[in-house]
Amino acid sequence: EIVLTQSPGTLSLSPGERATLSCRASQSVDSSFIAWYQKKPGRPPRLLISEASTRATGIPDRFSGSGSGTDFTLTISRLEPEDFAVYYCQQRRNFGQGTNLEIK
Amino acid sequence: EVQLVQSGGGLVQPGGSLRLSCAASGFSVSSNYLSWVRQAPGKGLEWVSVLYSGGTTYYSASVKGRFTISRDTSRNTLYLQMNNLRQDDTAEYYCTRNLAYEAYDLWGQGTMVAVSS
Repeated sequence: EIVLTQSPGTLSLSPGERATLSCRASQSVDSSFIAWYQKKPGRPPRLLISEASTRATGIPDRFSGSGSGTDFTLTISRLEPEDFAVYYCQQRRNFGQGTNLEIK
Repeated sequence: EVQLVQSGGGLVQPGGSLRLSCAASGFSVSSNYLSWVRQAPGKGLEWVSVLYSGGTTYYSASVKGRFTISRDTSRNTLYLQMNNLRQDDTAEYYCTRNLAYEAYDLWGQGTMVAVSS
């Protein structure tokens, strides 16, 4: 089974700053199966990125995904107040443990 | 409008049963891959089960033999029958629609299942 490890566990930044979230797979994976989600309390997860780098419908272009092999990255270019949430990466039926992006 | 609307859930004793429903609108449950994903309190996301359009089903090891995923095409609804519930099944359960490559592009609003005596 593939294990996804996200880092950091918590990221404290200010609005306007750039956020870089990492997702590392325990073995090389097909990047087609890498997705990223945003999760806020009381709301279902929201798909941000599929196939490692394809933004989902309606997702602002400040969100971007990249990576291949075992290392994948979600970048938020300039943080907006509504971006502070928990972010999960996914590879097929496996999820990372999440990165909590909090306001500094 | 394309959406998934969930119902069911609640408080049940260990060993009990519940059935979750997920009514789809704007698309057909018979021609899409559909999954259940859960989140235990304070924990991350966990895949539970998938139903492929052709009828094939898969389950996580933690629920295999206890949970059954199914659909009713006449009602355009997905179900999750949960039997022999355990305390570690306590979670918010979400139904989802799968895109290609198993990303989940559409989610139900979630329903809470609490297993406690």
